Amino acid sequence: DAGVIQSPRHEVTEMGQEVTLRCKPISGHDYLFWYRQTMMRGLELLIYFNNNVPIDDSGMPEDRFSAKMPNASFSTLKIQPSEPRDSAVYFCASSLAGAATNEKLFFGSGTQLSVL
Amino acid sequence: QKEVEQDPGPLSVPEGAIVSLNCTYSNSAFQYFMWYRQYSRKGPELLMYTYSSGNKEDGRFTAQVDKSSKYISLFIRDSQPSDSATYLCAMSGAGNQFYFGTGTSLTVIP
Repeated sequence: DAGVIQSPRHEVTEMGQEVTLRCKPISGHDYLFWYRQTMMRGLELLIYFNNNVPIDDSGMPEDRFSAKMPNASFSTLKIQPSEPRDSAVYFCASSLAGAATNEKLFFGSGTQLSVL
Repeated sequence: QKEVEQDPGPLSVPEGAIVSLNCTYSNSAFQYFMWYRQYSRKGPELLMYTYSSGNKEDGRFTAQVDKSSKYISLFIRDSQPSDSATYLCAMSGAGNQFYFGTGTSLTVIP
């Protein structure tokens, strides 16, 4: 399996623009997680899905952030409008089952977002 | 109090040294304990996975869990420059989230 695939690897945009990050989880994995990583705060969970349904979005910082999972093989994280403080590395991760089981979490390579 | 505490370092050691990385946690319901290694500009990759208390060894790496003290460790023997990375501890088994430490930055000097 190719692992978790994220695109783009790098995104540079101007404040106010819409940004869309994409993720393809590992085939067969029922759980998909979106994280944001910064030096100051480390890895922060933004939202996670189970079988394409959003389960917990309490980590989404503001209404400017939204996430969708239209099918089992694709998810998007959208920021509209983007702000400089959104600059971070955004990771997508997937797991066969949830964290309550002994299943492991696998990460993509991340999207480095810079908002100027 | 954060669920998982990890000293961010940075930690710098000479090649061949034994490295000890540690995390403490507050939720006694955690059952699964992981260590991830993250190279610069890469995603975290699973390095070690343990269940409950005890030790697990994989080559130069040993993961240790002490549930009574809510303390986990990762030991790296004969450290190599290629071990230079950020190491994140993670825990699960209490709900459907994975809980991460902030990561410890390690540099192994040749």
